[in-house]
Amino acid sequence: EAGVAQSPRYKIIEKRQSVAFWCNPISGHATLYWYQQILGQGPKLLIQFQNNGVVDDSQLPKDRFSAERLKGVDSTLKIQPAKLEDSAVYLCASSSPDSQETQYFGPGTRLLVL
Amino acid sequence: AQKITQTQPGMFVQEKEAVTLDCTYDTSDPSYGLFWYKQPSSGEMIFLIYQGSYDQQNATEGRYSLNFQKARKSANLVISASQLGDSAMYFCAVVSIQGAQKLVFGQGTRLTINP
Repeated sequence: EAGVAQSPRYKIIEKRQSVAFWCNPISGHATLYWYQQILGQGPKLLIQFQNNGVVDDSQLPKDRFSAERLKGVDSTLKIQPAKLEDSAVYLCASSSPDSQETQYFGPGTRLLVL
Repeated sequence: AQKITQTQPGMFVQEKEAVTLDCTYDTSDPSYGLFWYKQPSSGEMIFLIYQGSYDQQNATEGRYSLNFQKARKSANLVISASQLGDSAMYFCAVVSIQGAQKLVFGQGTRLTINP
């Protein structure tokens, strides 16, 4: 069974530029999560989707971050414009309907904003 | 609100010894789950073990076991017979079983296994 796929693995941009990350969850997993992990900290949830609907986006900085999961499968997370403090690893995770509490993570995208 | 506290920023252990990583949690949810994840330098979060709040027995998965003490709100991870490949960051996390299943992570413990 293929795991959660993410791309790109690494991205370097200058502040005020925009960037997008892509995630493809494990097949059949209805719930998809985006987390932000700043260096030296644990991951923090940005947004949670159930199929193509948003369940929780309370910690998403909506003035610059956006996310979508139009067909209920893969998802994109966008930052526009990026700030220096957005430098982090962006992790995507998914969980199955049968065991929703267990989340499986992708390899992450390491973003560096200069 | 939920909170995880991991008080050990770093741990150093000799290969083949057992190691205990501490985790205490705070939650007002009546039904919750506790997780441990391993994060090697490659960055991926690897699921290790899960304990439900109503599970009567402590969870075990191979060399990993979770020492769950509900009254003390602790969920320590025990790794038996440590191996060099166990060197990584380890994160404890809590999730509410009902409603939005948002994982709340601790700060992590960096485990280093010495040969």
